[in-house]
Amino acid sequence: QKEVEQNSGPLSVPEGAIASLNCTYSDRGSQSFFWYRQYSGKSPELIMFIYSNGDKEDGRFTAQLNKASQYVSLLIRDSQPSDSATYLCAVRRQGAQKLVFGQGTRLTINP
Amino acid sequence: DARVTQTPRHKVTEMGQEVTMRCQPILGHNTVFWYRQTMMQGLELLAYFRNRAPLDDSGMPKDRFSAEMPDATLATLKIQPSEPRDSAVYFCASGLLGGRLNIQYFGAGTRLSVL
Repeated sequence: QKEVEQNSGPLSVPEGAIASLNCTYSDRGSQSFFWYRQYSGKSPELIMFIYSNGDKEDGRFTAQLNKASQYVSLLIRDSQPSDSATYLCAVRRQGAQKLVFGQGTRLTINP
Repeated sequence: DARVTQTPRHKVTEMGQEVTMRCQPILGHNTVFWYRQTMMQGLELLAYFRNRAPLDDSGMPKDRFSAEMPDATLATLKIQPSEPRDSAVYFCASGLLGGRLNIQYFGAGTRLSVL
């Protein structure tokens, strides 16, 4: 079992709909959770982080964390074609310096 | 506009040649990470430094890869000799670690092709 698992996609969503991206992790001691967006040919850029159970909202993005289920998700409301990218989930274990990344989910928003 | 700077952006070389990639972290950041990204393996951590000291290089093939941080403004990743399987995008990321958060900011990457 991989430490951080994501559905590789591709996930296709119509413009204006809600895109839901999911990530599960295996280490119960994980402390911090991050979502990075990576456009084709570009570097990953941080869009959200969360470390408490529940929801965290930032504009059209909402991160959701459920530590009991070892599950973190990213919702994108009112999806735009510019949201088409690969979304990487990253997890930091308690006491660790480094992040462990999932394989990423490729999201396509269809106009 | 603070950013992580990587050079070169692209490198094409022949098998057996030495390759050196450079990274200038964001000023004030105390941690530097080197990653390799391929379609098959995704984003893999090769090594990282905190306050210029190597903390973990377990992800790096020791026989041909080496990473150093000669000063706070420069980190290097060297491959000698290079092999075609080293072809990938190499990213450097820097961060200011402390507390719960571990936000890493990525450079634009070096796209390496070994022929």
